[in-house]
This record gives sequence, C-alpha cells and structure tokens, in this order.
Amino acid sequence: QPVLTQPPSASASLGASVTLPCTLSSGYSDYEVDWYQQRPGKGPRFVMRVGPGGIVGSKGDGIPDRFSVLGSGLNRSLTIKNIQREDESDYHCAADRGSVSSFQGLFGGGTKLTVL
Amino acid sequence: EVQLVQSGAEVKKPGESLRISCKGFGYNFGTYWINWVRQMPGKGLEWMGRIDPSDSYINYNPSFEGHVTISADKSVNTVFLQWSSLKTSDTAMYYCARQEEYAEDDWFDSWGQGTLVTVSS
Repeated sequence: QPVLTQPPSASASLGASVTLPCTLSSGYSDYEVDWYQQRPGKGPRFVMRVGPGGIVGSKGDGIPDRFSVLGSGLNRSLTIKNIQREDESDYHCAADRGSVSSFQGLFGGGTKLTVL
Repeated sequence: EVQLVQSGAEVKKPGESLRISCKGFGYNFGTYWINWVRQMPGKGLEWMGRIDPSDSYINYNPSFEGHVTISADKSVNTVFLQWSSLKTSDTAMYYCARQEEYAEDDWFDSWGQGTLVTVSS
C-alpha cells in the first residue's frame, strides 16, 4: 500500500505562488493522486487528479486556472499562482489501490496553507 | 443539482449506538459508490470504507472494519454509517463522498456537508 507524504504547513504572500508537494512512497511512481481543497469549517472539494504525466481528466467545478499540477517521479505537486485570500485552506492528496474486491483509499496528512 | 445531504450533529455517551446517514439527490444513486471519510479534530482525512448502493457490496479500511458498519437503502437513496458501541475516540466529523463506478474519472466528485459526532461521558 502506498504512503502519501505532505508537509503539515505552508505559507505564501498574497499574489505570490506556492507549490504543495505530495510524495508517494518508493515503488509507486506510476500512481495517480487526487487533490482536495478544504476551506476552514467546510467539507473537501475535488481540485484535480495528477499522474506521472501531469493532469488527468478535468479540474473540479469552479477551480480557477491559477491551480495546476505536476507529476514527476514520486512527486505529485499542486501549484497555486497569484494566491488569493480564498485559497487559504487545507489541501489533501489522496490515492487508492486495488481492484473492486480489494479497494483501499488513502489520504496524505494534509497541508495547511496560510496566506500572509 | 447533485447533492449529498447528511444527517445532523450527534452527541452520545461511550457505549451507546449510533447511525448517521447520507442521502443522495440529483443523480442515479445506484451508479456511484458512497465513501465514508473521518476527520478527527484538527487532523487529516481518513478513508473508512465505501458501499455500492445497488448491491450493497462493501470495501472496508481494515483499521475500521469490525467497529463500524456501512449499509445502504437504495429505495430511499441513502447510505448509513453505524456504531454499536461508541468510544470517545470516535469523536470526529464524518463525511460521505460520491465516486463514479466503472469510470476513469473516479475521484470523489461530490461531498456531503459532514456530520459531527461527539462522544463524551
């Protein structure tokens, strides 16, 4: 079962850019990862999926173009450009493994993004 | 509009039983898995398990299997998460999330608003 590692916190100034890493454990370089945004006091919402070649499929509803992803080796990072106040959130990466009969979902620990 | 609407907040004592619910609106309920996700206070998300409402097939996270039960009543588009004997460590926010079956785009594309469960003596 893969492990997803995220730093617990990150910060960036208004209008700046930030990259939030999500690192897969060794041996899982072909895995796709989903990103979710969770604003304070709210439920999560899907941002986008990233695989070894970059974005997979489409972004979630209402996700601005300022959000992008990069997949390289074991890294599945989310980059936010021109950060706005409303981007201050917890960001969670997620993956799954197994077939229908053995499906297991998992999440990274989440990164709390503070907008300075 | 697709919506997952969860039951309201609960306050229970250790040892009590509880069932919370997640009702789907605006889509074909039987063609999406419903996942349950726990978020303990100040912590990250944990996948608990999922159910196919059309046939009640279930995948559990081994960390939760045996302590919770996931079930569905497809006639009322509702999935349930229940405990027979709550512990104080079950205090958390619980979310349900939809996941399309047999699709490439099988991320969790719609989430409920969450149900806060507080277990305290």
